[in-house]
Amino acid sequence: QVQLQESGPGLVKPSQTLSLTCTVSGGSISSGNYYWSWIRQHPGKGLEWIGYIYYSGTTYYNPSLKSRVTISVDTSKNQFSLKLSSVTAADTAVYYCARELPCGGDCRPFDYWGQGTLVTVSS
Amino acid sequence: DIQMTQSPSSLSASVGDRVTITCRASQSISRYLNWYQQQPGKAPKLLIYAASSLQSGVPSRFSGSGSGTDFTLTISSLQPEDFATYYCQQTYSTPWTFGQGTKVEIK
Repeated sequence: QVQLQESGPGLVKPSQTLSLTCTVSGGSISSGNYYWSWIRQHPGKGLEWIGYIYYSGTTYYNPSLKSRVTISVDTSKNQFSLKLSSVTAADTAVYYCARELPCGGDCRPFDYWGQGTLVTVSS
Repeated sequence: DIQMTQSPSSLSASVGDRVTITCRASQSISRYLNWYQQQPGKAPKLLIYAASSLQSGVPSRFSGSGSGTDFTLTISSLQPEDFATYYCQQTYSTPWTFGQGTKVEIK
């Protein structure tokens, strides 16, 4: 059973960089054709996809956040990470990591999710 | 970006009711549409992928249909554990986008 777990600071100061790590267990991050994503949810709001990474390092970022986002992977630790720079209060959200299931063509649902971690941006 | 619009935004229903939620895409997305259920304080859970494929372990009272721009999620007989918020999501074109959610509440 694949499990994902987010970790990182729950409080970040404005203008600083938010850094989170997702540790994958129950399967290798570099096996299969999976893409690994970050998604966030502002308090009481809907879901916003941030971007994905493939184990080879190929990334795609949501254009709305592209200038501030970096997603990286460490296959030796079975982890992938998110960095979001120059944060403001608008970046306060629950951040989820998730696995994309390749099911043919553009079929790429998120089949496994981490439990989510709340990151608050405040001085 | 492809905009996903769900209706209604919320609904009240009773245990045993048949419930239908609609999701409309701003352009054709073929059948690359997924549905998730989110309980309060929990991560979303995949219910349906590729418009109508039931994710393993999901009860058969959940079903999905549609193609192109119009999709539906149907719960054939609402159970107490189904009171939650439901989201649709497209993976036809990056960036992946979600609907705004439909909250199913107890009548």
